Amino acid sequence: NAGVTQTPKFRVLKTGQSMTLLCAQDMNHEYMYWYRQDPGMGLRLIHYSVGEGTTAKGEVPDGYNVSRLKKQNFLLGLESAAPSQTSVYFCASTKLAEETQYFGPGTRLLVL
Amino acid sequence: SQQGEEDPQALSIQEGENATMNCSYKTSINNLQWYRQNSGRGLVHLILIRSNEREKHSGRLRVTLDTSKKSSSLLITASRAADTASYFCATDNSGNTPLVFGKGTRLSVIA
Repeated sequence: NAGVTQTPKFRVLKTGQSMTLLCAQDMNHEYMYWYRQDPGMGLRLIHYSVGEGTTAKGEVPDGYNVSRLKKQNFLLGLESAAPSQTSVYFCASTKLAEETQYFGPGTRLLVL
Repeated sequence: SQQGEEDPQALSIQEGENATMNCSYKTSINNLQWYRQNSGRGLVHLILIRSNEREKHSGRLRVTLDTSKKSSSLLITASRAADTASYFCATDNSGNTPLVFGKGTRLSVIA
């Protein structure tokens, strides 16, 4: 099993550009999450999904959209990137009725 | 939002010493988890302690939970250079809400 994978690993964007981050898991997990991690801020939840076709807002959802069309994939979109979205983005997943989250390796995003 | 707060923010010790990190939180929880993050990597789950448990062990890890004080501690015994990482606590106050992570403790173990 590959676990949780994230694509791409690193990306540089210009202000106003759009992009989509892909998270994939092969563990048949129901729940998936997108976090951002900034220095000194820990992990903050952006959006999450409790199943295929459902999404919900987390602590810092503004400027991001998500989609969960397939159970194994969770996409995070930035429609118009801003320098404040420079961060490391982590995806995680967990199985229904379990509490442990499994994390991907992260995507480093730099918005100029 | 409810959030665990780790203390200290950074800790530097010699190899072989014990490392203790603390986590405080604000509201009632179902469980509290500890995760480790090596530099440039994703978080890895270490241990989970439920609200009705007071202490739990896993290898060189010992976790305690005091629900009356809303605090937890993570003890790493006989530390190794490979234990150098950031450690995060995460609280879960129900099965349907996402975990809330603290800001982490950066541990440096010097060989």
